[in-house]
Amino acid sequence: QQQVKQSPQSLIVQKGGISIINCAYENTAFDYFPWYQQFPGKGPALLIAIRPDVSEKKEGRFTISFNKSAKQFSLHIMDSQPGDSATYFCAASTDETSGSRLTFGEGTQLTVNP
Amino acid sequence: DGGITQSPKYLFRKEGQNVTLSCEQNLNHDAMYWYRQDPGQGLRLIYYSQIVNDFQKGDIAEGYSVSREKKESFPLTVTSAQKNPTAFYLCASTMDQRGAKNIQYFGAGTRLSVL
Repeated sequence: QQQVKQSPQSLIVQKGGISIINCAYENTAFDYFPWYQQFPGKGPALLIAIRPDVSEKKEGRFTISFNKSAKQFSLHIMDSQPGDSATYFCAASTDETSGSRLTFGEGTQLTVNP
Repeated sequence: DGGITQSPKYLFRKEGQNVTLSCEQNLNHDAMYWYRQDPGQGLRLIYYSQIVNDFQKGDIAEGYSVSREKKESFPLTVTSAQKNPTAFYLCASTMDQRGAKNIQYFGAGTRLSVL
């Protein structure tokens, strides 16, 4: 039972372009939506996160857009760089669950060509 | 340096063998997690522990076992009952057992392969 669907599975972008990764969720109780970045052979690391009381959050070149009514959120990477090449995971969690249990999307492998 | 240490980095399992993956954290975090990562399937939760001497099954616990005897340690045993153990295993921890807003910090992972 996949509660967070992520697309595309892979993405190739030219340097300086915009990378867009989309996620959709089913559980309306989700109230925290982080994005994690993972480089090959490493563990994921938190990149940026949003709560549903705002529609957008920006940190440097990374922006999360959130659409509560559509139950969708997306990551935009502006001015994409080769160093951004990594796998990106969206995730979601709810205060109704114990601890900080996250439900992850399937991941998107981003390649930024020089 | 504070962080999560997973060992070994690579592990090979023979048929019918149990193997144990180590996860140690010096972040003084209460909660710890084990995930399995397969290509195209994201991270799937195996087990998690919110407090010492207590743990819960995640979504894919069959064929795995854990213990939490110390706050800083959360080893995962892949038993012979796990018929498809080849995967990248990730350990994570969070500061507090309550609240859904805590950041999960991950180790560098253990890649398990079957001989």
